[in-house]
Amino acid sequence: DTGVSQDPRHKITKRGQNVTFRCDPISEHNRLYWYRQTLGQGPEFLTYFQNEAQLEKSRLLSDRFSAERPKGSFSTLEIQRTEQGDSAMYLCASSLVGRGGIGNQPQHFGDGTRLSIL
Amino acid sequence: DAKTTQPNSMESNEEEPVHLPCNHSTISGTDYIHWYRQLPSQGPEYVIHGLTSNVNNRMASLAIAEDRKSSTLILHRATLRDAAVYYCILRYSGGYQKVTFGTGTKLQVIP
Repeated sequence: DTGVSQDPRHKITKRGQNVTFRCDPISEHNRLYWYRQTLGQGPEFLTYFQNEAQLEKSRLLSDRFSAERPKGSFSTLEIQRTEQGDSAMYLCASSLVGRGGIGNQPQHFGDGTRLSIL
Repeated sequence: DAKTTQPNSMESNEEEPVHLPCNHSTISGTDYIHWYRQLPSQGPEYVIHGLTSNVNNRMASLAIAEDRKSSTLILHRATLRDAAVYYCILRYSGGYQKVTFGTGTKLQVIP
């Protein structure tokens, strides 16, 4: 079991720069989720894909954020013109489709990408 | 979103059972109850989930109240490796709905 892989683990960048994070889900999982987590808080939902289709986006996902999942495999999350408030841990998770609907499937998380904006 | 309420923190002695409570008074009939835990600098780890009946797995047990408005995660013998933030969340079975994690319960295990 290779688990969910995220790259890079840490990213330090200057305000105003663009950054891109990658997530490789568990290979047979067709659902993929992005979350953001700040210190002392639980993960906050950003967006969700089923295969290559982006089905849900949070209002937290401003115009500077874009996520893709070409071919329904890995996903990328890009932040343009980064701001201080973007500093956070960005988590990716994946899950299967199965019996009992989406609620009956556990999400498997990667260890995240920690973004620091100077 | 259906919300959950958990105590901010709890303590347990090592090798003793731990009961972590969660209230979810607005739960719907199609919401599954999920528990995750998170160690520092790691992503959340799935622990257990259930719908109506109590559930057991190698990590923990989940006890669900008869009215489903509350649940309890039971760690049978706490170890130092169980020290983490534990999140109780609800996941709708009918389709994707935004999941609200809340701030969870920080469990401290005392040697």
